Amino acid sequence: EPEVTQTPSHQVTQMGQEVILRCVPISNHLYFYWYRQILGQKVEFLVSFYNNEISEKSEIFDDQFSVERPDGSNFTLKIRSTKLEDSAMYFCASSENWTGENYEQYFGPGTRLTVT
Amino acid sequence: KNQVEQSPQSLIILEGKNCTLQCNYTVSPFSNLRWYKQDTGRGPVSLTIMTFSENTKSNGRYTATLDADTKQSSLHITASQLSDSASYICVVSGGYNKLIFGAGTRLAVHP
Repeated sequence: EPEVTQTPSHQVTQMGQEVILRCVPISNHLYFYWYRQILGQKVEFLVSFYNNEISEKSEIFDDQFSVERPDGSNFTLKIRSTKLEDSAMYFCASSENWTGENYEQYFGPGTRLTVT
Repeated sequence: KNQVEQSPQSLIILEGKNCTLQCNYTVSPFSNLRWYKQDTGRGPVSLTIMTFSENTKSNGRYTATLDADTKQSSLHITASQLSDSASYICVVSGGYNKLIFGAGTRLAVHP
């Protein structure tokens, strides 16, 4: 069964450093998403991406965040200058169509980002 | 403000017993309501998706209900198994592509 994959599974970085989290969505999916989950808290929407552009973003997704689909398979989240409060689990998800039409969002296993 | 509230926060039941988890939401516009299962340290996995016109939907031992008038949903788990131990998250799709997550109910099934 196709699945969303994410690398790395765990990333440790120093405050102020740039990190890139990578995701390979399910191959025939058109919509891509990033979420984060701070330890012990709820999952929070960051951004959705369709047709090579951001379709929606949350207040969390400020100028230090960016997303890119550099080739036909990868979808990346870049954090330019990490802060301690960026420590969280980051989930990538993809869907065949937009979720207002009841399409499933399939989540990857997550990347645990630890900022020291 | 769009919110999804779940109760109880945590629940312990014995293997083989049934349980019901609750979800109240204030999300507008409303597209659909989903229940996800999330194992510790893993990504959420979808159990059910319901639109406002659907009252109930089942997936094996999981049955979700939706009352769009009162903006309440429940997830009923029948004949619980040890592998059901996880967080169960109520998620509402509001707007174009945004999912709004509840904090989840942490379920522990004991032998």
